[in-house]
Amino acid sequence: NAGVTQTPKFQVLKTGQSMTLQCAQDMNHNSMYWYRQDPGMGLRLIYYSASEGTTDKGEVPNGYNVSRLNKREFSLRLESAAPSQTSVYFCASSRGGLNTEAFFGQGTRLTVV
Amino acid sequence: GENVEQHPSTLSVQEGDSAVIKCTYSDSASNYFPWYKQELGKRPQLIIDIRSNVGEKKDQRIAVTLNKTAKHFSLHITETQPEDSAVYFCAASDSNYQLIWGAGTKLIIKP
Repeated sequence: NAGVTQTPKFQVLKTGQSMTLQCAQDMNHNSMYWYRQDPGMGLRLIYYSASEGTTDKGEVPNGYNVSRLNKREFSLRLESAAPSQTSVYFCASSRGGLNTEAFFGQGTRLTVV
Repeated sequence: GENVEQHPSTLSVQEGDSAVIKCTYSDSASNYFPWYKQELGKRPQLIIDIRSNVGEKKDQRIAVTLNKTAKHFSLHITETQPEDSAVYFCAASDSNYQLIWGAGTKLIIKP
């Protein structure tokens, strides 16, 4: 039981390049999330998927797109990376609804130069 | 929407002393308040949570209290140990059951 697995762990992009962060969970959770974490700013929600087949914007969605490929997988895409997107990205999942304990992946440290 | 403020941003305590971290929230409809611990370079992990129908919850050296009237909740760690050093985040659920996070408190345990 691996929990939440996200790849890659580290990535360096040049401004304007695109990339997709992958996330998968094996806990049969309904809800999945993408957060970014910047120093002194806690965790900010980028996008979430309350259930398979749905996605919604979070607090900071600009510059990102997501795909809930199936119940297990939720990917985050940067179409044209900008230095402001340098951050640590966390994928998380939860059962959803009132049971909102979130289980996190190990994080992706992204640097855009 | 929901807004969560967390204080202090850094807390330094002597090993063996107690530590208290406080959070306030704005949405009176929020009903779930978890606390997460994040060690350096690692993922956040849940350490304790409380629901709005309970005023206090304890788990060994960790306790959380909730004051719904004042809209604040606090994390209490007693008999602090070096392994308690980490960043602690509070969160509150909004009307869509999504978590809104505080900015974090860096807890330093001095030997």
